[in-house]
Amino acid sequence: GENVEQHPSTLSVQEGDSAVIKCTYSDSASNYFPWYKQELGKRPQLIIDIRSNVGEKKDQRIAVTLNKTAKHFSLHITETQPEDSAVYFCAASMESYKLSFGAGTTVTVRA
Amino acid sequence: GAGVSQTPSNKVTEKGKYVELRCDPISGHTALYWYRQSLGQGPEFLIYFQGTGAADDSGLPNDRFFAVRPEGSVSTLKIQRTERGDSAVYLCASSYRAQNSPLHFGNGTRLTVT
Repeated sequence: GENVEQHPSTLSVQEGDSAVIKCTYSDSASNYFPWYKQELGKRPQLIIDIRSNVGEKKDQRIAVTLNKTAKHFSLHITETQPEDSAVYFCAASMESYKLSFGAGTTVTVRA
Repeated sequence: GAGVSQTPSNKVTEKGKYVELRCDPISGHTALYWYRQSLGQGPEFLIYFQGTGAADDSGLPNDRFFAVRPEGSVSTLKIQRTERGDSAVYLCASSYRAQNSPLHFGNGTRLTVT
């Protein structure tokens, strides 16, 4: 099955700086790569997703890049704000329902 | 509109007991999923329903776990003879359809087996 590795496990950034989280996946057949944000005790919320026919996607301060050859994808958050503090999960799947998640990155934005 | 609703939000049970966890998906969503999230980990896939039928139950850890969705809307995850290792947050998600539709998660049920 699919195996997703996520780095780093924790990330502390100064408010206004950028944050980058990287994930690798094992199954070359995977074609859907969402990112979820989970605040403490709350539900995972989809923040952005990308499909294998696209190399990059941007939504305001958030962008995701995908390198299918290397089997890795990354989340970039620019101009970080305190409300960006949360746990971020990457995921990969061949069928969009059977997501394999990474272990998560705890992002702390220092004011 | 209303999101995915899960009840109870917390459940404490004794080892060996039977529990049922309920999920009410977003209205109009035909696909429903159960995931399990252990502390400090990402969610793990358990089972997926398309309509009333379980289209993929490959993530259920053993035969103590079972899920139903009799009318194609509300789903119940059932765990028999609970073990301490079953303690986790059980997340339900739904999507408009299984293909090319993002998953919308509920807040989960935190199950603690003592």
